[in-house]
Amino acid sequence: EAGVTQSPTHLIKTRGQQATLRCSPISGHTSVYWYQQALGLGLQFLLWYDEGEERNRGNFPPRFSGRQFPNYSSELNVNALELEDSALYLCASSLNGGGSYNEQFFGPGTRLTVL
Amino acid sequence: GQQVMQIPQYQHVQEGEDFTTYCNSSTTLSNIQWYKQRPGGHPVFLIQLVKSGEVKKQKRLTFQFGEAKKNSSLHITATQTTDVGTYFCAGVLISGTYKYIFGTGTRLKVLA
Repeated sequence: EAGVTQSPTHLIKTRGQQATLRCSPISGHTSVYWYQQALGLGLQFLLWYDEGEERNRGNFPPRFSGRQFPNYSSELNVNALELEDSALYLCASSLNGGGSYNEQFFGPGTRLTVL
Repeated sequence: GQQVMQIPQYQHVQEGEDFTTYCNSSTTLSNIQWYKQRPGGHPVFLIQLVKSGEVKKQKRLTFQFGEAKKNSSLHITATQTTDVGTYFCAGVLISGTYKYIFGTGTRLKVLA
């Protein structure tokens, strides 16, 4: 069974540009979560999508947005990039319903560097 | 604000010593999960605890959920170099709306 996949592996952008990160969940999983992990720091919750809808978002500005497609894959968009957006962006998926009682499976992440 | 804190932030132990990380929430949790992230890797699920006072064991790892469901601990007996990594707790806060938060993490180094 294929795990969570993310693309691209690495992404280099300059300040002010937009970045699009992609995630494909494990087959059968309907929930997708996005996290930001700055170097050496913990996981900061960004967004949670389930069944195509945004269920919750963390304390991030509106320039962080995303969507979930009918096939449950997801996209994270970061507009007007700032230097401090440089981080590892992790996507995770879980079985349906809320993630409260379901383990999350993480992808390898996308390393975003903003110059 | 609502936080899930872990202590210690860093821990260096000699191989063979025991290690414990504590997870403390300011709000009651409906459940607690533990993840391990190896250096350069992504978090991997270890276990989930749901019941008040629950204790679960996985070989040398013992996980405990507090009676008040506001704290949890992970204890590793006789650490090995393969235990190196950052251990995160994560939980769903019972606060009216769904809020899933990862703890601040404890980075463990094991010296051979």
